Amino acid sequence: QQQVKQSPQSLIVQKGGIPIINCAYENTAFDYFPWYQQFPGKGPALLIAIRPDVSEKKEGRFTISFNKSAKQFSLHIMDSQPGDSATYFCAASIDAGNMLTFGGGTRLMVKP
Amino acid sequence: DVKVTQSSRYLVKRTGEKVFLECVQDMDHENMFWYRQDPGLGLRLIYFSYDVKMKEKGDIPEGYSVSREKKERFSLILESASTNQTSMYLCASSLTGNFYNEQFFGPGTRLTVL
Repeated sequence: QQQVKQSPQSLIVQKGGIPIINCAYENTAFDYFPWYQQFPGKGPALLIAIRPDVSEKKEGRFTISFNKSAKQFSLHIMDSQPGDSATYFCAASIDAGNMLTFGGGTRLMVKP
Repeated sequence: DVKVTQSSRYLVKRTGEKVFLECVQDMDHENMFWYRQDPGLGLRLIYFSYDVKMKEKGDIPEGYSVSREKKERFSLILESASTNQTSMYLCASSLTGNFYNEQFFGPGTRLTVL
């Protein structure tokens, strides 16, 4: 049973659109929520991360929104570009510890 | 830049064979991880190691073992490969206490068991 549920599994948007990827978690002890980005043929790489003391974090065109009461967090990509086409994974950990629990992944395609 | 390398990008083995997947990192990280990646299931942790000769089971350790004799090297062993172990295997490393808990991944080994 996955402790972090991610949706959708795949997503297609036009260039300039705002894809939104959602994650929900069950373990209330989770207190660190990173997102990883994976391009074909490469390993995942850390994109952006949030702790539950803030409701939103923005880095460039990428924004994480966090809803602690609903145990949900999401990734928004503003003004999406074809170069953003990749697989995105949400994850969670306790006390920013070494163990990460990953969601199932979302394959994003941004059409030109 | 942290570099995590994996011994093979593609590997084809037969059922029952013993398989070794090697991972090397060059940044003196204490922690190393082995995941398998399957569509729709994301990354699932097989084993991790927080020090030389130390190991802990992850979520799906059955059918796998690991070895860490040197700090920079972490090996995943499939004692008797089975077709349900066909998957992408990813190795990662991280530094204890880093604020972002960032794990650095290798490019992966796609293993096919026939």
